[in-house]
Amino acid sequence: GIQVEQSPPDLILQEGANSTLRCNFSDSVNNLQWFHQNPWGQLINLFYIPSGTKQNGRLSATTVATERYSLLYISSSQTTDSGVYFCAVPRSGGSYIPTFGRGTSLIVHP
Amino acid sequence: DAGVIQSPRHEVTEMGQEVTLRCKPISGHDYLFWYRQTMMRGLELLIYFNNNVPIDDSGMPEDRFSAKMPNASFSTLKIQPSEPRDSAVYFCASSLPGANVLTFGAGSRLTVL
Repeated sequence: GIQVEQSPPDLILQEGANSTLRCNFSDSVNNLQWFHQNPWGQLINLFYIPSGTKQNGRLSATTVATERYSLLYISSSQTTDSGVYFCAVPRSGGSYIPTFGRGTSLIVHP
Repeated sequence: DAGVIQSPRHEVTEMGQEVTLRCKPISGHDYLFWYRQTMMRGLELLIYFNNNVPIDDSGMPEDRFSAKMPNASFSTLKIQPSEPRDSAVYFCASSLPGANVLTFGAGSRLTVL
């Protein structure tokens, strides 16, 4: 199956700082999603981004499918950005069924 | 839409008891997924359905686990008998065709004593 690795595993920021989270995957994918799990455990879909760049407010994501990685940018971080960020890719070539990385745990201090 | 609805939110039970977790997907979504989250294993797919039919249950850990989807608006995940190692958060998610965008429920936190 397709392997997915996220980095860094942990990140601590001061409010207002910018950050970049990375997701590497081992094979070409037709589906890539970024999720945020807030401190209460809720998983929220941030982006569906198999290729290209998307932006939503202070968050943006870029997937370079040919080089098998995706980046999630958080600008002017806020305490509400704290939580775990997951990347999900298909578990095997030709599949759409998502398998999740281990996530990046982000803490934003006021 | 109310989103994906799971119940119960929290369940504490004793080893050997039967546990039933419930999920109502978003209306119109034809894919339904059950995931389990633990510190050790992260988020792992247990089973998924398409149009109420189980497609792949290879992630179900043992015969003690079973899942059903009797209609498009309801699914259950049952553990019988439960064991302490089943303690985890169980998530249900649904999506439109292509599984492009998953919407998760709030999860059911299971503690087996």
